[in-house]
This record gives sequence, C-alpha cells and structure tokens, in this order.
Amino acid sequence: NAGVTQTPKFQVLKTGQSMTLQCAQDMNHEYMSWYRQDPGMGLRLIHYSVGAGITDQGEVPNGYNVSRSTTEDFPLRLLSAAPSQTSVYFCASGAAPYEQYFGPGTRLTVT
Amino acid sequence: KNQVEQSPQSLIILEGKNCTLQCNYTVSPFSNLRWYKQDTGRGPVSLTIMTFSENTKSNGRYTATLDADTKQSSLHITASQLSDSASYICVVSGAGKSTFGDGTTLTVKP
Repeated sequence: NAGVTQTPKFQVLKTGQSMTLQCAQDMNHEYMSWYRQDPGMGLRLIHYSVGAGITDQGEVPNGYNVSRSTTEDFPLRLLSAAPSQTSVYFCASGAAPYEQYFGPGTRLTVT
Repeated sequence: KNQVEQSPQSLIILEGKNCTLQCNYTVSPFSNLRWYKQDTGRGPVSLTIMTFSENTKSNGRYTATLDADTKQSSLHITASQLSDSASYICVVSGAGKSTFGDGTTLTVKP
C-alpha cells in the first residue's frame, strides 16, 4: 500500500497561472479532503468528497476547484494563482468522516 | 464559533524528560478528539482518537486524556526521545466538521 500520494512535492507558480495538485489513495477510502497549512495556523479545509462524484466546499474554497471522478483520485485545481495561495497543501483520505490519513504535502509558492 | 486552543505554543525539553501538552475546545456537538504528530516537512500522523465515553487512550509513550465536561484534553509524553521533536495537533470533530488547533511545537534536546 502506497497510502496517500501527492504530486508534485514542490511547485513555484507565477501570479495568474493555473495548475492541478494531484492526490491519489490506494486504500479504497470513500472520504477525501484537501487542506492548506500556513505558518502558525491550523490546517484549514478547502474541499472534501464523501465518494466518487460527490464534492463539497470546506472553510476556504475560493480560488480552488475539485472533482472526484474515481474513488482513488481527488485533484485540486488552482484557477488563477495568487500570492495568498502560497502554502503547504495536504490531501487526506479515510474510510470514515473522522478518519484521516494524510499525504506528504505539496509546498506551493506563488510569486 | 468552534475553537480549539492548544498550549503551550512551543516547548523545549531535555531527552528523557516527560511533558504534557494541553488542548481546550469549544466545539459543539462533540463526536471525537484526535491527536496528531507532524514531523517537519511531513503530513500529520494520527496518535490517538477518543470519543465522549473515553477518558484515556495510550499509544506507546503517548497518553491522551479527555475531560468532556470541562472540554479539555492533554497529551502526555513519557521518557521523551529526540524523535519526539515535532508539532502536535489537536483536532475536535462533531456534526460532520473538524476543527484543528494551531499545534504545539515540541523540541527535544540531547
């Protein structure tokens, strides 16, 4: 089991560029979510999914889109990157709403 | 507003010593409380999870306690090791939502 994998590990974007952060899990988990972690702050929920084809907004969804076409994959799209989106992004999955296995993170810098 | 407050913000101890981290919350309704360990540059890893009826849960040298009446939890680390240096995050969940604390950064020095 690879668990939760995220790519890329690091990314630098210019303001206005778009990109997709990839997240995949091989544990057949229904629940998947995306968080951002800023220095000195707790993890904040961006979007989550309770199963293939079902997604919903979290606490800080603006500027991000998600889709869940398969159980395994849950990509996060940045539509038009802004410096305020500089952060570390974590994907998590679980078999229950409160069970979360986190990926290793993607460190994103927007200049 | 649901809140989770952790203290202290940071802590430095010597290897072999014990320490206790605190978590106070105002989350309602309450479903469970989890402690995570996050090593630098890695994702959080679950240490313990406690529901309303549980007041103690251990995972090796880590022991979490929960007082649901006062809405307080603590994480006690026994005989600390250098590898315990990390951020410890308290997460409280209920009604389908999770509230994360800002974490306590623990540094264990030789």
